Amino acid sequence: GAGVSQTPSNKVTEKGKYVELRCDPISGHTALYWYRQSLGQGPEFLIYFQGTGAADDSGLPNDRFFAVRPEGSVSTLKIQRTERGDSAVYLCASSLGGDLEAFFGQGTRLTVV
Amino acid sequence: AQSVTQPDIHITVSEGASLELRCNYSYGATPYLFWYVQSPGQGLQLLLKYFSGDTLVQGIKGFEAEFKRSQSSFNLRKPSVHWSDAAEYFCAVGARYGNKLVFGAGTILRVKS
Repeated sequence: GAGVSQTPSNKVTEKGKYVELRCDPISGHTALYWYRQSLGQGPEFLIYFQGTGAADDSGLPNDRFFAVRPEGSVSTLKIQRTERGDSAVYLCASSLGGDLEAFFGQGTRLTVV
Repeated sequence: AQSVTQPDIHITVSEGASLELRCNYSYGATPYLFWYVQSPGQGLQLLLKYFSGDTLVQGIKGFEAEFKRSQSSFNLRKPSVHWSDAAEYFCAVGARYGNKLVFGAGTILRVKS
């Protein structure tokens, strides 16, 4: 596609449930990033993929968060046992070859009730 | 530790007036600096970036920014603001081929007619 696509755009889930957020990067971009943006804050880094592997997952807040990119294109961010504090906008970005000039998707707004 | 400070949470300017948004960073290596804009419900759009060379960089939509190493600053400017510039602006720093950007908390720009 022309840009980074994230689905769903909005997700409401109950506390304790499992959610998956999808990111479809720009075709040919090998680097993919996930960020989390809480209300009133700037985006915070979660994880970075170069190809299929997670090159840096130091931003994942705890072991309830996990992300995959099995074929080096689409990525899924998975959150287990969601908590109200996980409510945020989750942003995905991709770049060509890991240059930080990344293009961002519109985000998935996750609300945990 | 890497950090970005945007001292102004909100700024209001009149349409046609000049604009300067402040950004100060703390970064241990050679910084690569970015300004992004985020309109409501939209993803982050890159306005401009500084990697090296001329410290005054031009971006899209008539924006420019000046890198001042001695002041650890990368302020964003526009000579004449348009109502459509109302949005939230984020400054970010990273290593060019690094794995993540560190964002400031953002500055919300309001434009009054």
